[in-house]
Amino acid sequence: EAQVTQNPRYLITVTGKKLTVTCSQNMNHEYMSWYRQDPGLGLRQIYYSMNVEVTDKGDVPEGYKVSRKEKRNFPLILESPSPNQTSLYFCASIGGAGSPLHFGNGTRLTVT
Amino acid sequence: DQQVKQNSPSLSVQEGRISILNCDYTNSMFDYFLWYKKYPAEGPTFLISISSIKDKNEDGRFTVFLNKSAKHLSLHIVPSQPGDSAVYFCAASEEGTYKYIFGTGTRLKVLA
Repeated sequence: EAQVTQNPRYLITVTGKKLTVTCSQNMNHEYMSWYRQDPGLGLRQIYYSMNVEVTDKGDVPEGYKVSRKEKRNFPLILESPSPNQTSLYFCASIGGAGSPLHFGNGTRLTVT
Repeated sequence: DQQVKQNSPSLSVQEGRISILNCDYTNSMFDYFLWYKKYPAEGPTFLISISSIKDKNEDGRFTVFLNKSAKHLSLHIVPSQPGDSAVYFCAASEEGTYKYIFGTGTRLKVLA
């Protein structure tokens, strides 16, 4: 089954404790992206990757890092999480320009 | 600057009636538009799309209309069913890009 898999689904952590949210897709997609969803703000892009070792900032990249060492994986790294990064995070991939994004099921992060 | 706007945060409709969800955009370079549906605890799932060369696209009970001069698109669901209750996001992109801008979402509740 074609899918985007994120882990963990739920995460509660404390300010400053580094964490990684993993994302993997099995559709051989070159393009992958991370979004965060906040009430009243919709889905905002954090980072994206056009291919292996090619990443770039989205609209809200501050406080986040990503890496793309393999085509299928695109982890999101929070080196020093802060409470304003409490949010619902989605990883997505796309097969080509002009195609729909495929989303994972989300990771709900709470930073206290 | 919100390039894609969904001005109605919520909408309630009686089962069997028509649901109309609206979306406005400001960037005239957008030429590909999508609607996503999101249930709680799941990622957004692609529903229907339309390119700027068309003004209407149908898929079963779902029809998307595009008015380029007004920079407005709408999603019609006929007839509405309780299972349609979800948050709906519209999104827009420019041809040849992978950048998708999302609206803030409209929560649809279909009353049985």
